[in-house]
Amino acid sequence: QVKLQQSGAELVKPGASVKLSCKTSGYTFSTSYMSWFKQIPGQSIEWIGMIYAGDGGTGYNQKFKGKATLTVDTSSSTAYMDLSSLTTEDSAVYFCARRSHHWFAYWGQGTLVTVSS
Amino acid sequence: DIQMTQSPASLSASLEEIVTITCQASQDIGNWLSWYQQKPGKSPQLLIYGATSLADGVPSRFSGSRSGTQYSLKISRLQVEDIGIYYCLQAYSAPYTFGAGTKLELK
Repeated sequence: QVKLQQSGAELVKPGASVKLSCKTSGYTFSTSYMSWFKQIPGQSIEWIGMIYAGDGGTGYNQKFKGKATLTVDTSSSTAYMDLSSLTTEDSAVYFCARRSHHWFAYWGQGTLVTVSS
Repeated sequence: DIQMTQSPASLSASLEEIVTITCQASQDIGNWLSWYQQKPGKSPQLLIYGATSLADGVPSRFSGSRSGTQYSLKISRLQVEDIGIYYCLQAYSAPYTFGAGTKLELK
């Protein structure tokens, strides 16, 4: 079965960077699209961007350009998201989700990132 | 960016009641609308895709419809396990955008 396992919670200082992971199994990762989302607790969900594992091609929400960088490692079927120059406004739960056509049937469990000094 | 206006923001309903949630798209998005249920501390779960198709394993009391740029999610007979927050998502054009969410509670 399809599984997306995200890395554990992070506590990071302002100005630092963090790299989140999303390890997949149960499907052909190398021909799939992975999206990342941000959800501040109590708020709606924002789409950060998407990466095609086949060639590493990416598309970003303009709001997150310069903030998030998406990469993949096809040898381990893992997607990554780097978040840079973190501020308290980046404190949120981040989800990875596999895109199927124009919807998202499979999601990771989420990674809580807390930015605090 | 395409705006998704979701209503109501919150809804209190009784067991077995019919519940309807709507999303209005700011422009044509075709059938590229999906609905998700999210419970506290969990990731969103796909309910409806392509505006009207039921996702695998989702009870048949859930249904989706479309009228122009207005999309609706209907729960025909509310059950306890349906309590949560519901979101619509347009994935017609980037950036993909969600509605603000509808918090569904039991009366």
